[in-house]
Amino acid sequence: AQSVTQPDIHITVSEGASLELRCNYSYGATPYLFWYVQSPGQGLQLLLKYFSGDTLVQGIKGFEAEFKRSQSSFNLRKPSVHWSDAAEYFCAVGASSASKIIFGSGTRLSIRP
Amino acid sequence: KAGVTQTPRYLIKTRGQQVTLSCSPISGHRSVSWYQQTPGQGLQFLFEYFSETQRNKGNFPGRFSGRQFSNSRSEMNVSTLELGDSALYLCASSLEAGGPDTGELFFGEGSRLTVL
Repeated sequence: AQSVTQPDIHITVSEGASLELRCNYSYGATPYLFWYVQSPGQGLQLLLKYFSGDTLVQGIKGFEAEFKRSQSSFNLRKPSVHWSDAAEYFCAVGASSASKIIFGSGTRLSIRP
Repeated sequence: KAGVTQTPRYLIKTRGQQVTLSCSPISGHRSVSWYQQTPGQGLQFLFEYFSETQRNKGNFPGRFSGRQFSNSRSEMNVSTLELGDSALYLCASSLEAGGPDTGELFFGEGSRLTVL
């Protein structure tokens, strides 16, 4: 069965510190992988996506993610977080249509001043 | 280019009533999907429409229904509301071009429904 696991429900990091949010997936074929961010009271915004090719993907707002097939992981990273990065982050795996996109349960990121 | 627009943004209903939510996708997008977001269940897929046809439906009771119009705008309806239907309902549109952009969703800000 297809699934996405985000093991960390809530993470707090200091402003300026590095960040890594974990995502593990289970998918039968080569997946399409996504990271979305949701600010309070807002919809979801795509940060980055992986379909094929280079396993290190650059996204918006200084985020990057690395696809590791052997570990079934697609972790999100940022070298230095800003207070405005406080939000909820969702990892998602999918195929060729929206209905096949499965979202993880999300990781809430808090920033310590 | 205008984003995905959802109306109303907030609404309060009582048990047993029905509600209709509206979604206008990004111009040129033909696929519209709906999600229910709650603190306990996270993001759950409701249904997807493409060219006025429902392509897939999530695991929700028949009280949840939707439709898509020829201009790609979509509505979802929930009848006989229950307390557990209180949630943020998100609409997302996508190109459905069949290429690398397929599957990338563009979300609206959602309609927050409170059932009393």
